[in-house]
Amino acid sequence: GAGVSQSPRYKVTKRGQDVTLRCDPISSHATLYWYQQALGQGPEFLTYFNYEAQPDKSGLPSDRFSAERPEGSISTLTIQRTEQRDSAMYRCASSLVGTSGRETQYFGPGTRLLVL
Amino acid sequence: AQSVTQPDIHITVSEGASLELRCNYSYGATPYLFWYVQSPGQGLQLLLKYFSGDTLVQGIKGFEAEFKRSQSSFNLRKPSVHWSDAAEYFCAVAGNQFYFGTGTSLTVIP
Repeated sequence: GAGVSQSPRYKVTKRGQDVTLRCDPISSHATLYWYQQALGQGPEFLTYFNYEAQPDKSGLPSDRFSAERPEGSISTLTIQRTEQRDSAMYRCASSLVGTSGRETQYFGPGTRLLVL
Repeated sequence: AQSVTQPDIHITVSEGASLELRCNYSYGATPYLFWYVQSPGQGLQLLLKYFSGDTLVQGIKGFEAEFKRSQSSFNLRKPSVHWSDAAEYFCAVAGNQFYFGTGTSLTVIP
């Protein structure tokens, strides 16, 4: 596609429910990142994929968080048993090449999650 | 350890005035540095990036940034601010991950 898209744009859920967020990266991009951005803060790294491989998930805050990219394109981020502290903007970004540092990440519009 | 510091949480400038947003980084090797802008309800848009070469980098929307290795800084500048520049600005350094600063919120007054 022309850019990175994310859905839904907004999600309100009750504490304890599971949520799944979707990211559709730029079609030619090998690498996909997930970030969590709290209000008034910068994005914080959660995990990334090179195609379907997930080399680094060190940023996932707990085992309630998981991400998949089974066919190396669309990715989902699932939060199980949501808690109020999970409320944040979840941002997806993609880049053409791997994490060599010589890359530019292109961000989607984000999904605003509110856990009541 | 890699980190990015944006010392100014909020800046207010008059339209037409010059702007400088500060960014300091900590990184062991040659840093790859970025500035992103986030407008209300929008995603993060890349303004400019520095990988190597000329330390003065030109970006979109009339922005520029200067990499100063001796000061570990990558400050963003614009000679004349427009009301549409009001937004949140994030500096980032790329290593094995991207590390973002906490952002600087810019308000532009008429």
